[in-house]
Amino acid sequence: DAKTTQPPSMDCAEGRAANLPCNHSTISGNEYVYWYRQIHSQGPQYIIHGLKNNETNEMASLIITEDRKSSTLILPHATLRDTAVYYCMWGQGGKLIFGQGTELSVKP
Amino acid sequence: EPEVTQTPSHQVTQMGQEVILRCVPISNHLYFYWYRQILGQKVEFLVSFYNNEISEKSEIFDDQFSVERPDGSNFTLKIRSTKLEDSAMYFCASTPLWTSGRSGYEQYFGPGTRLTVT
Repeated sequence: DAKTTQPPSMDCAEGRAANLPCNHSTISGNEYVYWYRQIHSQGPQYIIHGLKNNETNEMASLIITEDRKSSTLILPHATLRDTAVYYCMWGQGGKLIFGQGTELSVKP
Repeated sequence: EPEVTQTPSHQVTQMGQEVILRCVPISNHLYFYWYRQILGQKVEFLVSFYNNEISEKSEIFDDQFSVERPDGSNFTLKIRSTKLEDSAMYFCASTPLWTSGRSGYEQYFGPGTRLTVT
């Protein structure tokens, strides 16, 4: 199974940027990094994915290191509604392998 | 915005009974998945389905489980004889056909069905 390492929890002040790190040192060259989140017990929600280049969409930015062994998800202006568990995963598609993720708490 | 729907939201059943969990994937999606999440644990892949057959299944997906796409819209997960340890949230997900230039990682999840086996 594709393994990633994430801190179990992080806090962020409302309105500030949340930077969530992920280590994926065993990723191979043609596999994507992707991020999902799960708010409380709702269904996981896709956030963003990338291969080599940094990516940005309306939800977040993804910064992937040049060696592709780690990445950082950036929520530029975190809100209370961004409180969730954030999962970093990698693979070539098909099944998603969820780890324990990072529990992000956004505080007023 | 189109979304994946699941019914029922909560199902309570007795051990040994059969249950069918229903999902309506997004209409132009062609790959379908079931995942489960036992309370307090991580989300686990069960099965993927494409072109009316199972593409991949996990060790969890044993002979007690089956999936079906009985018509053009529904995607079902059947558990033939439920056990206490089947109690979990079950999530359905779907994704469009992977084409060149598209990675296919945007799986769209439904809200889940909470299955309680007593």
